Amino acid sequence: DAGVTQSPTHLIKTRGQQVTLRCSPISGHKSVSWYQQVLGQGPQFIFQYYEKEERGRGNFPDRFSARQFPNYSSELNVNALLLGDSALYLCASSLEGLLRVGEKLFFGSGTQLSVL
Amino acid sequence: GESVGLHLPTLSVQEGDNSIINCAYSNSASDYFIWYKQESGKGPQFIIDIRSNMDKRQGQRVTVLLNKTVKHLSLQIAATQPGDSAVYFCAESFNTDKLIFGTGTRLQVFP
Repeated sequence: DAGVTQSPTHLIKTRGQQVTLRCSPISGHKSVSWYQQVLGQGPQFIFQYYEKEERGRGNFPDRFSARQFPNYSSELNVNALLLGDSALYLCASSLEGLLRVGEKLFFGSGTQLSVL
Repeated sequence: GESVGLHLPTLSVQEGDNSIINCAYSNSASDYFIWYKQESGKGPQFIIDIRSNMDKRQGQRVTVLLNKTVKHLSLQIAATQPGDSAVYFCAESFNTDKLIFGTGTRLQVFP
């Protein structure tokens, strides 16, 4: 079975542009989460979606948005890119997003975004 | 792929030795803890988890210890192998489905 897949793997944008990152969860998983990983740091939570609804949001500006589709895939959008948005963007999936009751979170390999 | 961390704390061990990676977590109310392994160019890979009602859990060649009194988590890897070389992150969660990650430790295994 395929794991969490993300596209593209690498992306280069310039300041002020907009970007869309895509994620397909593990088959059967209904929850998708997005994390940002700046070089040298641990991943930081951006969003969680379950059944197309936003279940959680981290401390990120409104320039960041996401959505989940009926097939449970997800997109992360970032508008008005800043240099500081350069990072590895990770998508993770779980069955129903219920880590508190024993589910596990599985990560994709990420999209490396460079903003010039 | 790009390295996930260029200035992380580094633990260097000889192949075959045991490794101990430590983590101080931030929230005394956190009730779920996980260790992830991240190789260059890849996403974090689940290693082992533990809930706050336990103080020790063992997996295959790995053991996680939780000390809630001092908010400390450790990962022990037995008979460390070259394939264990990676960055290791601890993560915590409190009654929620989002994870808070630590800064990571780079494990280097030399022959």
